[in-house]
Amino acid sequence: QQQVKQSPQSLIVQKGGIPIINCAYENTAFDYFPWYQQFPGKGPALLIAIRPDVSEKKEGRFTISFNKSAKQFSLHIMDSQPGDSATYFCAASLFNAGNMLTFGGGTRLMVKP
Amino acid sequence: DTAVSQTPKYLVTQMGNDKSIKCEQNLGHDTMYWYKQDSKKFLKIMFSYNNKELIINETVPNRFSPKSPDKAHLNLHINSLELGDSAVYFCASSQVFQEQYFGPGTRLTVT
Repeated sequence: QQQVKQSPQSLIVQKGGIPIINCAYENTAFDYFPWYQQFPGKGPALLIAIRPDVSEKKEGRFTISFNKSAKQFSLHIMDSQPGDSATYFCAASLFNAGNMLTFGGGTRLMVKP
Repeated sequence: DTAVSQTPKYLVTQMGNDKSIKCEQNLGHDTMYWYKQDSKKFLKIMFSYNNKELIINETVPNRFSPKSPDKAHLNLHINSLELGDSAVYFCASSQVFQEQYFGPGTRLTVT
C-alpha cells in the first residue's frame, strides 16, 4: 500500500515555466512533509519542508502548498531553469517518532532551454 | 569535508555472498538511517537508528542488519545476497527532530 502518491511521473516545461508536482498522503498522523531533489548518480538533497500547521512555505523559487483537509501538498518551482532538471520526491513522516521518511514515487522534471 | 559518506560507491557480488556497506557522518548527528532505491527510483526506508533505539521497517528481510560501532557510523550488513537486493542504498543522518541529509549512495549489483 503506497502511503504517499506523487504525480505526475514526468514533466516537461520550458525555461521560465512553473512546474507543479502534487502529492497525496493517507496517514493523517504524518506531521512533516519534505521535498527532495535528486540528480543522476547523487543522493537526494532536501529542498524545502513544511509542517501541517501552515498552508504555504516559500524558499527562494520553491513553494510548498499544503492542504491538510484534502491530505495533499504540492511543490511549485517559479521561473524554472534547465539546472532544475532532476527527479523530485515528496515525502512524509512522523517527525517526532523516528522521522522515517515515506517517499512518493518521484517526478522526473525536464526544463527545456 | 563530506557530510555523509558511503563506501564503496559500487559493489558487484554474487548471489549467496555476505557484504557490508559503510556509512560515516561528520555532522555530529545522533540519528542515522538506511534507505533502498530500486530500479524504478522508488525510495524506501529500511532502518532508523540512534544510540537508544533501532526502528526496523517491517518489510526488510532479516538478512539485512545495521551495525553502529559509534555515533558517527552506521554500517549495513547483508547476508545471503539475492538478485532482488540489487539497488542503490543510501545512508542518511539527522539531528533529533531535524531534517535528514543523504549520502551519495552505494550501487549494489548482485549477479
